[in-house]
Amino acid sequence: DTEVTQTPKHLVMGMTNKKSLKCEQHMGHRAMYWYKQKAKKPPELMFVYSYEKLSINESVPSRFSPECPNSSLLNLHLHALQPEDSALYLCASSQVGRLHRDRNYGYTFGSGTRLTVV
Amino acid sequence: AQTVTQSQPEMSVQEAETVTLSCTYDTSESNYYLFWYKQPPSRQMILVIRQEAYKQQNATENRFSVNFQKAAKSFSLKISDSQLGDTAMYFCAFESNNAGNMLTFGGGTRLMVKP
Repeated sequence: DTEVTQTPKHLVMGMTNKKSLKCEQHMGHRAMYWYKQKAKKPPELMFVYSYEKLSINESVPSRFSPECPNSSLLNLHLHALQPEDSALYLCASSQVGRLHRDRNYGYTFGSGTRLTVV
Repeated sequence: AQTVTQSQPEMSVQEAETVTLSCTYDTSESNYYLFWYKQPPSRQMILVIRQEAYKQQNATENRFSVNFQKAAKSFSLKISDSQLGDTAMYFCAFESNNAGNMLTFGGGTRLMVKP
Protein backbone atom coordinates (compact mmCIF):
# COMPACT_ATOMS: atom_id res chain seq x y z
CA ASP A 1 0.00 0.00 0.00
CA THR A 2 1.66 3.24 -1.14
CA GLU A 3 -1.21 5.62 -0.53
CA VAL A 4 -2.31 8.24 1.93
CA THR A 5 -6.10 8.23 2.23
CA GLN A 6 -8.00 11.31 3.33
CA THR A 7 -11.68 11.57 4.24
CA PRO A 8 -13.93 13.29 3.52
CA LYS A 9 -12.99 14.64 0.08
CA HIS A 10 -15.30 17.62 0.47
CA LEU A 11 -16.69 19.27 3.62
CA VAL A 12 -18.97 22.25 4.11
CA MET A 13 -19.36 23.43 7.67
CA GLY A 14 -20.83 26.35 9.55
CA MET A 15 -18.80 28.52 11.84
CA THR A 16 -20.35 26.92 14.93
CA ASN A 17 -19.87 23.32 13.79
CA LYS A 18 -17.36 20.76 15.01
CA LYS A 19 -15.95 18.41 12.40
CA SER A 20 -12.90 16.19 11.90
CA LEU A 21 -10.65 15.41 8.96
CA LYS A 22 -9.10 11.97 8.82
CA CYS A 23 -5.90 10.67 7.26
CA GLU A 24 -4.59 7.11 7.09
CA GLN A 25 -1.43 5.45 5.73
CA HIS A 26 -0.05 1.93 5.90
CA MET A 27 3.44 2.49 4.54
CA GLY A 28 5.10 2.29 7.95
CA HIS A 29 5.91 6.00 7.85
CA ARG A 30 6.43 7.45 11.31
CA ALA A 31 6.17 11.13 10.34
CA MET A 32 2.78 12.59 9.41
CA TYR A 33 1.84 16.11 8.43
CA TRP A 34 -1.05 18.50 7.94
CA TYR A 35 -0.76 21.19 5.28
CA LYS A 36 -3.17 23.96 4.31
CA GLN A 37 -3.29 25.06 0.68
CA LYS A 38 -5.07 28.09 -0.72
CA ALA A 39 -5.88 28.32 -4.43
CA LYS A 40 -2.84 28.82 -6.67
CA LYS A 41 -0.49 28.83 -3.67
CA PRO A 42 1.96 26.25 -2.34
CA PRO A 43 1.03 24.13 0.67
CA GLU A 44 1.69 25.70 4.08
CA LEU A 45 2.82 23.45 6.90
CA MET A 46 0.52 23.33 9.92
CA PHE A 47 1.60 20.38 12.08
CA VAL A 48 4.20 17.61 12.12
CA TYR A 49 3.90 14.39 14.11
CA SER A 50 7.00 12.28 14.59
CA TYR A 51 6.59 8.87 16.23
CA GLU A 52 3.03 9.86 17.17
CA LYS A 53 4.18 12.93 19.07
CA LEU A 54 3.57 16.50 17.97
CA SER A 55 6.96 17.88 16.99
CA ILE A 56 6.07 21.02 15.05
CA ASN A 57 3.15 23.42 15.36
CA GLU A 58 3.51 26.31 12.96
CA SER A 59 1.62 28.78 15.18
CA VAL A 60 -1.72 27.40 14.08
CA PRO A 61 -4.85 28.84 15.80
CA SER A 62 -6.34 26.64 18.51
CA ARG A 63 -9.53 26.16 16.50
CA PHE A 64 -7.44 23.52 14.66
CA SER A 65 -6.59 20.58 16.93
CA PRO A 66 -4.48 17.70 15.61
CA GLU A 67 -4.46 14.19 16.98
CA CYS A 68 -2.36 11.13 16.17
CA PRO A 69 -4.06 8.09 17.78
CA ASN A 70 -1.54 5.60 16.33
CA SER A 71 1.21 5.32 13.75
CA SER A 72 -1.24 4.95 10.86
CA LEU A 73 -3.84 7.60 11.65
CA LEU A 74 -3.86 11.37 11.81
CA ASN A 75 -6.89 13.51 12.58
CA LEU A 76 -7.53 17.23 12.44
CA HIS A 77 -10.37 18.42 14.64
CA LEU A 78 -12.07 21.62 13.58
CA HIS A 79 -14.12 23.93 15.77
CA ALA A 80 -15.42 27.49 15.38
CA LEU A 81 -13.70 28.02 12.06
CA GLN A 82 -13.78 31.23 10.07
CA PRO A 83 -14.59 31.65 6.37
CA GLU A 84 -10.90 32.42 5.72
CA ASP A 85 -10.09 28.89 6.86
CA SER A 86 -11.68 27.60 3.66
CA ALA A 87 -8.92 25.78 1.79
CA LEU A 88 -7.60 22.42 0.65
CA TYR A 89 -6.21 20.46 3.61
CA LEU A 90 -3.52 17.98 2.68
CA CYS A 91 -2.16 15.14 4.76
CA ALA A 92 1.26 13.66 4.05
CA SER A 93 3.59 11.05 5.49
CA SER A 94 7.27 10.18 5.26
CA GLN A 95 10.08 8.25 6.86
CA VAL A 96 11.77 9.88 9.84
CA GLY A 97 15.44 10.72 10.22
CA ARG A 98 18.42 10.44 7.91
CA LEU A 99 19.31 6.87 8.80
CA HIS A 100 15.86 5.62 7.88
CA ARG A 101 15.73 7.17 4.44
CA ASP A 102 15.94 4.71 1.60
CA ARG A 103 16.45 5.39 -2.08
CA ASN A 104 12.75 6.04 -2.51
CA TYR A 105 12.61 8.69 0.21
CA GLY A 106 9.98 11.34 -0.22
CA TYR A 107 6.75 12.70 1.14
CA THR A 108 3.56 10.92 0.09
CA PHE A 109 0.50 13.17 -0.03
CA GLY A 110 -3.18 12.40 0.10
CA SER A 111 -5.62 13.97 -2.35
CA GLY A 112 -6.89 16.38 0.28
CA THR A 113 -10.12 17.56 1.84
CA ARG A 114 -11.69 20.61 0.22
CA LEU A 115 -13.10 22.56 3.18
CA THR A 116 -15.63 25.36 2.84
CA VAL A 117 -16.63 27.35 5.92
CA VAL A 118 -19.93 29.19 5.60
CA ALA B 1 15.70 30.04 6.98
CA GLN B 2 15.66 28.35 3.63
CA THR B 3 13.83 29.92 0.70
CA VAL B 4 12.81 28.38 -2.61
CA THR B 5 12.08 30.52 -5.67
CA GLN B 6 10.32 29.53 -8.86
CA SER B 7 10.58 32.49 -11.19
CA GLN B 8 8.12 31.27 -13.84
CA PRO B 9 4.51 31.51 -12.61
CA GLU B 10 3.15 30.06 -15.87
CA MET B 11 4.58 28.22 -18.84
CA SER B 12 3.22 26.46 -21.87
CA VAL B 13 4.66 23.88 -24.24
CA GLN B 14 3.48 22.03 -27.31
CA GLU B 15 2.81 18.35 -26.96
CA ALA B 16 5.92 16.22 -27.65
CA GLU B 17 8.31 19.12 -27.08
CA THR B 18 10.70 19.74 -24.20
CA VAL B 19 10.26 22.28 -21.42
CA THR B 20 12.45 23.32 -18.49
CA LEU B 21 11.11 24.67 -15.21
CA SER B 22 13.44 26.74 -13.05
CA CYS B 23 14.03 26.59 -9.31
CA THR B 24 16.59 28.29 -7.11
CA TYR B 25 17.02 27.98 -3.38
CA ASP B 26 18.97 29.54 -0.60
CA THR B 27 20.66 27.56 2.16
CA SER B 28 23.89 27.46 4.12
CA GLU B 29 23.75 23.68 4.50
CA SER B 30 25.83 21.19 2.56
CA ASN B 31 23.46 18.23 2.55
CA TYR B 32 19.73 18.31 1.93
CA TYR B 33 17.02 16.89 -0.31
CA LEU B 34 15.38 18.59 -3.26
CA PHE B 35 12.11 17.49 -4.82
CA TRP B 36 9.81 18.32 -7.68
CA TYR B 37 6.13 17.69 -7.03
CA LYS B 38 3.31 17.78 -9.58
CA GLN B 39 -0.23 18.79 -8.62
CA PRO B 40 -2.80 18.19 -11.38
CA PRO B 41 -6.39 19.44 -11.12
CA SER B 42 -7.17 16.25 -9.20
CA ARG B 43 -5.33 17.99 -6.32
CA GLN B 44 -3.02 15.20 -5.25
CA MET B 45 0.64 16.16 -4.89
CA ILE B 46 2.66 13.58 -6.79
CA LEU B 47 6.41 13.16 -6.33
CA VAL B 48 8.08 13.54 -9.72
CA ILE B 49 11.77 13.35 -8.86
CA ARG B 50 14.17 13.67 -5.92
CA GLN B 51 17.81 14.67 -5.57
CA GLU B 52 20.04 14.31 -2.55
CA ALA B 53 22.53 17.15 -2.47
CA TYR B 54 25.67 15.07 -1.87
CA LYS B 55 25.03 13.08 -5.04
CA GLN B 56 26.62 14.81 -8.00
CA GLN B 57 24.79 12.80 -10.63
CA ASN B 58 21.59 14.41 -11.84
CA ALA B 59 18.46 12.39 -11.09
CA THR B 60 16.32 11.06 -13.93
CA GLU B 61 12.91 9.39 -13.97
CA ASN B 62 11.78 8.40 -17.46
CA ARG B 63 10.89 11.67 -19.27
CA PHE B 64 11.80 13.79 -16.25
CA SER B 65 15.33 14.87 -15.40
CA VAL B 66 16.95 17.56 -13.31
CA ASN B 67 19.90 19.86 -13.76
CA PHE B 68 21.30 20.19 -10.24
CA GLN B 69 23.88 22.93 -9.89
CA LYS B 70 24.86 22.87 -6.22
CA ALA B 71 27.22 25.84 -6.27
CA ALA B 72 24.64 27.97 -8.06
CA LYS B 73 21.84 26.58 -5.83
CA SER B 74 19.79 25.76 -8.87
CA PHE B 75 17.53 22.76 -9.43
CA SER B 76 15.69 22.87 -12.75
CA LEU B 77 13.29 20.23 -14.07
CA LYS B 78 13.34 19.14 -17.70
CA ILE B 79 10.30 17.39 -19.14
CA SER B 80 10.96 15.68 -22.45
CA ASP B 81 8.30 14.57 -24.94
CA SER B 82 5.64 16.56 -23.07
CA GLN B 83 2.24 14.90 -22.80
CA LEU B 84 -1.20 16.38 -22.18
CA GLY B 85 -1.23 14.64 -18.81
CA ASP B 86 1.77 16.71 -17.73
CA THR B 87 -0.52 19.75 -17.44
CA ALA B 88 -0.36 20.67 -13.74
CA MET B 89 1.14 22.91 -11.09
CA TYR B 90 4.75 22.01 -10.41
CA PHE B 91 6.31 22.76 -7.04
CA CYS B 92 10.00 22.70 -6.22
CA ALA B 93 10.66 21.78 -2.58
CA PHE B 94 13.64 21.75 -0.22
CA GLU B 95 14.15 19.63 2.87
CA SER B 96 16.91 20.43 5.33
CA ASN B 97 18.73 17.55 6.98
CA ASN B 98 19.16 19.74 10.05
CA ALA B 99 15.61 20.99 10.50
CA GLY B 100 13.99 17.60 10.68
CA ASN B 101 11.06 16.70 8.53
CA MET B 102 10.09 20.05 7.07
CA LEU B 103 9.49 20.81 3.41
CA THR B 104 9.87 24.34 2.09
CA PHE B 105 7.97 24.87 -1.16
CA GLY B 106 8.51 27.31 -3.97
CA GLY B 107 5.58 29.35 -5.24
CA GLY B 108 4.85 26.94 -8.09
CA THR B 109 4.82 27.00 -11.89
CA ARG B 110 1.61 26.32 -13.77
CA LEU B 111 2.45 24.25 -16.86
CA MET B 112 0.03 23.93 -19.75
CA VAL B 113 0.73 21.32 -22.43
CA LYS B 114 -1.02 22.24 -25.67
CA PRO B 115 -2.13 19.72 -28.31
